[in-house]
Amino acid sequence: EVRLVESGGDLVQPGESLRLSCAASGFTVSSNYMSWVRQAPGKGLEWVSVIYGGGTTYYADSVKGRFTISRHKSENTLYLQMNSLRAEDTAVYYCARGGAYNYHFDYWGQGTLVTVSS
Amino acid sequence: QSVLTQPPSTSGTPGQRVTISCSGSSSNIGSNYVYWYQQLPGTAPKLLIYRNNQRPSGVPDRFSGSKSGTSASLAISGLRSEDEADYYCATWDDSLSAWVFGGGTKLTVL
Repeated sequence: EVRLVESGGDLVQPGESLRLSCAASGFTVSSNYMSWVRQAPGKGLEWVSVIYGGGTTYYADSVKGRFTISRHKSENTLYLQMNSLRAEDTAVYYCARGGAYNYHFDYWGQGTLVTVSS
Repeated sequence: QSVLTQPPSTSGTPGQRVTISCSGSSSNIGSNYVYWYQQLPGTAPKLLIYRNNQRPSGVPDRFSGSKSGTSASLAISGLRSEDEADYYCATWDDSLSAWVFGGGTKLTVL
């Protein structure tokens, strides 16, 4: 059974950093396209970043230069390092399998809440 | 402002048929498959329709999807109280080289 479990969400101040984790089971993270998608309070879904099986990464313009997606092969875990956080980054962050051309988001985690506020 | 346009809300009574529209452009819906996600209150999105009109295993056939040109629709027939949720359309955008979502439609079952 495919399962994704996010962790690491917290309340932080503007300018601070945070690292989110997404532990996967039932499939191999490093062999799949893996993404982070966020949802601001009361708002819609926004794709944030994707990492391809070969390691190539892409980011939404809104986070480029501040966020870094990565994975740990042996731990089968996806990460999102978030630096220079802003109030507008406040959202529930979901990890999802998929996110490349012809590879839709087929499995989602339960999400982890990141709140950026002073 | 979302790349794909959905009505913010819709409603129906039990047993009724409702449709949710999703409008895009030639660079997204016009040239790629459309996907629909259901988000029940307080939960993560769940894949409802893939490749325009295909249902994953376990999704009731009350849910159906269609696409024409640069628009797509999700239809829900025999509406049930448990269908009350937010529904999102999604597709790949060739110009952005990224996945884009609609703003979501909140379905209320009266």
